[in-house]
Amino acid sequence: KQEVTQIPAALSVPEGENLVLNCSFTDSAIYNLQWFRQDPGKGLTSLLLIQSSQREQTSGRLNASLDKSSGRSTLYIAASQPGDSATYLCAVPAGGTSYGKLTFGQGTILTVHP
Amino acid sequence: GAGVSQSPRYKVAKRGQDVALRCDPISGHVSLFWYQQALGQGPEFLTYFQNEAQLDKSGLPSDRFFAERPEGSVSTLKIQRTQQEDSAVYLCASSLRTRLLMWVNSDGYTFGSGTRLTVV
Repeated sequence: KQEVTQIPAALSVPEGENLVLNCSFTDSAIYNLQWFRQDPGKGLTSLLLIQSSQREQTSGRLNASLDKSSGRSTLYIAASQPGDSATYLCAVPAGGTSYGKLTFGQGTILTVHP
Repeated sequence: GAGVSQSPRYKVAKRGQDVALRCDPISGHVSLFWYQQALGQGPEFLTYFQNEAQLDKSGLPSDRFFAERPEGSVSTLKIQRTQQEDSAVYLCASSLRTRLLMWVNSDGYTFGSGTRLTVV
């Protein structure tokens, strides 16, 4: 059974810092890996999706990398801003299904203070 | 509509009550998922519909949980005889895709804002 773990559980940084969020998964046979953002009281917004054949994806100040063989992904946020404060979740498709059933990590709560 | 709509946003139920949670997916989206998110945890899969067919209900925690999508659009998650451990945010997501191999960018899923259920 696929298990996804995120470290750290919470992170507080001053504005302007570069930071890294970590995600690990136990079964390396994945189609892709996604990073989501969740704001309080809201649903999840997809940030980046990395296909299994890719090593990284970039969107603005966000860069996500994937190392399938070691079962790890990182989300790098450059020049953090208070508006980046949210919970960040990584997710991979559950094994044995084709329709996109996801297994999530428990999330990293990020606080960026001015 | 423009997004996935869930109602009610908040629900307080007394232990033992039945509740019904509604999800209006994006028009034309074939796939619909329900997830349960306990406080401080990531979402956990409950069930999956492809049109009106419930293809996977392996995540439903007990037979008190029942979901339906009779016309392949709106879905309802029903919880009978609610218990305190049912307190969570229930998230609905829909997708145009039926196979994750077709996902080529990060918008394979659209999530609703969720229903926060508190059982007292």
